[in-house]
Amino acid sequence: GAVVSQHPSRVICKSGTSVKIECRSLDFQATTMFWYRQFPKQSLMLMATSNEGSKATYEQGVEKDKFLINHASLTLSTLTVTSAHPEDSSFYICSASSGRRSYNEQFFGPGTRLTVL
Amino acid sequence: AQSVTQLDSQVPVFEEAPVELRCNYSSSVSVYLFWYVQYPNQGLQLLLKYLSGSTLVKGINGFEAEFNKSQTSFHLRKPSVHISDTAEYFCAVSKSGSGGSNYKLTFGKGTLLTVNP
Repeated sequence: GAVVSQHPSRVICKSGTSVKIECRSLDFQATTMFWYRQFPKQSLMLMATSNEGSKATYEQGVEKDKFLINHASLTLSTLTVTSAHPEDSSFYICSASSGRRSYNEQFFGPGTRLTVL
Repeated sequence: AQSVTQLDSQVPVFEEAPVELRCNYSSSVSVYLFWYVQYPNQGLQLLLKYLSGSTLVKGINGFEAEFNKSQTSFHLRKPSVHISDTAEYFCAVSKSGSGGSNYKLTFGKGTLLTVNP
């Protein structure tokens, strides 16, 4: 159980275009989803936290107009990289957790490799 | 705010040898602690976690970790490693008792464990 999928797994796009990445919880309802960014050989940096039906909370330094996050249902969150540029190239990973207890495990998706030419 | 320091960026070992991956954290409040494993181009898988109770935590794949509050450490150990353990390992921390969207993970920079035959 507790499977999280991401689509696409890889995407290559031209500079200036927008790219949408989907994150789905396949067998549980995710009240909270997280989006991370990982540069090569570096750690995961949290970009934003989203709760179903409400606006995402962005971490300091993350441009909310550039990285649009939508969490429209309990099983789907999307990250749209708008007007992508080469510096946006990275590995994007989502995670999902359920419930509002003091501890809720995050289940991670397999990641999406974005390359902007 | 919390921070995590993984002292070794790379740890090479021979197959069947014991290994310890070091993790120290900094926090002004009580924390939960985690170890995750990441295989190439994949998401993260939870190895083990410390929430409360016994300071020795056993996880999957034969790994264990010990929470040492006085030394603010949470080192990961395995008595005998396999080739298949070759991966990136991340230590992470979150505030304890945080619910919902406040439950955020802060990751260390990761340790690449390479198991050689």
